Amino acid sequence: EADIYQTPRYLVIGTGKKITLECSQTMGHDKMYWYQQDPGMELHLIHYSYGVNSTEKGDLSSESTVSRIRTEHFPLTLESARPSHTSQYLCASSESVAGKVSQTYEQYFGPGTRLTVT
Amino acid sequence: KNQVEQSPQSLIILEGKNCTLQCNYTVSPFSNLRWYKQDTGRGPVSLTIMTFSENTKSNGRYTATLDADTKQSSLHITASQLSDSASYICVVSDRGSTLGRLYFGRGTQLTVWP
Repeated sequence: EADIYQTPRYLVIGTGKKITLECSQTMGHDKMYWYQQDPGMELHLIHYSYGVNSTEKGDLSSESTVSRIRTEHFPLTLESARPSHTSQYLCASSESVAGKVSQTYEQYFGPGTRLTVT
Repeated sequence: KNQVEQSPQSLIILEGKNCTLQCNYTVSPFSNLRWYKQDTGRGPVSLTIMTFSENTKSNGRYTATLDADTKQSSLHITASQLSDSASYICVVSDRGSTLGRLYFGRGTQLTVWP
């Protein structure tokens, strides 16, 4: 069982609200990721981080923002939620070992946050 | 365009039976291929990861095969159990970035009936 946690697990909010989805891992991994997944569809990378103070946008354009002030913490924020943001959000992390090809790192996923914006 | 296609989209089998799930990919340059199991409402959990030089890898009742020449992979599940009901996702990584970008298939939804 991976030591990566997400809260809340489920969230139903009204349009226009500001929300923050929490993600934390206790494995000391440098790399962290946020994915968005709609039912029956593939995961899409929306944000990633190589380490503290490093954040990048992923393949799928997202109105959300992220921050990485501490290694173990990678929160995602929506300033003004809309119904189009309704989805499942998955956080993941992977190790970064000198001399090891980064592409073979195992990614460990959190349980996800199911967000519904009404 | 890098893509990962899985078939079938969904599958229903009886408990105790075997099944095989397919994955075709066009990701290039290829680094590795992973199979994940995702239970409903949960995050994916890794089953196997195979690099270019590996043809097969097993994890208990799960056996994955890889043909890098034809860019195909399969996941074989033997003696299925009710707990095998889940979505099985094929994921391919490329060598084109230091991030190790992952390309996800849409998954095969497996249902095991008693």
